[in-house]
Amino acid sequence: AQSVTQLDSQVPVFEEAPVELRCNYSSSVSVYLFWYVQYPNQGLQLLLKYLSGSTLVKGINGFEAEFNKSQTSFHLRKPSVHISDTAEYFCAVGWGAQKLVFGQGTRLTINP
Amino acid sequence: DTAVSQTPKYLVTQMGNDKSIKCEQNLGHDTMYWYKQDSKKFLKIMFSYNNKELIINETVPNRFSPKSPDKAHLNLHINSLELGDSAVYFCASSPGLGNYEQYFGPGTRLTVT
Repeated sequence: AQSVTQLDSQVPVFEEAPVELRCNYSSSVSVYLFWYVQYPNQGLQLLLKYLSGSTLVKGINGFEAEFNKSQTSFHLRKPSVHISDTAEYFCAVGWGAQKLVFGQGTRLTINP
Repeated sequence: DTAVSQTPKYLVTQMGNDKSIKCEQNLGHDTMYWYKQDSKKFLKIMFSYNNKELIINETVPNRFSPKSPDKAHLNLHINSLELGDSAVYFCASSPGLGNYEQYFGPGTRLTVT
C-alpha cells in the first residue's frame, strides 16, 4: 500500500525567508504526486502536481517542488514566504483505484 | 461560481441522531469523493463514485451511506451519530477515473454532542 510521510508537523519561519516542506512516499510503481494547501477554515486547494516529465514542478503562489525518484521525495519549496502563506500543507500521492493518499500535513507558520 | 459546494457548513447534533450532508459540483466532473478530516487534520478517503457508481468504500461503518442521484451530486447520510463522528467532512471531485487531480469543497464541520 502507498504511504506518504511529511517529516515535519510544524515549520515556523520568518517572513521573506525561504522554506522547504518535506515529503517522502513509498511506492514501487509510477506515482502521481500533489501538494495541497488548506488555509484556516477552508477546503484544500491544489498548489501543484507532478504527473510526468520535468522533475521540477512550478505551482501557484510562487511554490515549486522537485520529484526525486531515487530518494522517493517530493519536497515543496518557496524562496521567500509571506504572512499569507500561513496554512496547513498536504502532500498526496495518487495510487491504485483512483485514490489520493495524504500525508499528515505540515503547519507552516510565518512570523513577522 | 462555487465549483464544489457543500451544505451545511456547520452541523451540531446529538448522539443517536441521523443527519445528511449534501455536495454538488458544477465542473462537469465524473468522479466525486467524501473525505473525513479528524481533529489532527489527518485526511482519509471514505467513498468515491464515478458516474453514480460506487468505486471506493474504505471500510467505513455502514452507518454512513453515500447516495449519488446524478454525477453532479454526492450526498452523505449518517445514521445513529456517535461522538467519534465529529470531524470535518470534505467533498471533492475530479474529471474522471485515471485523473487524480481533485477539487475540494469548503467542508462541513460536524459536531456530535
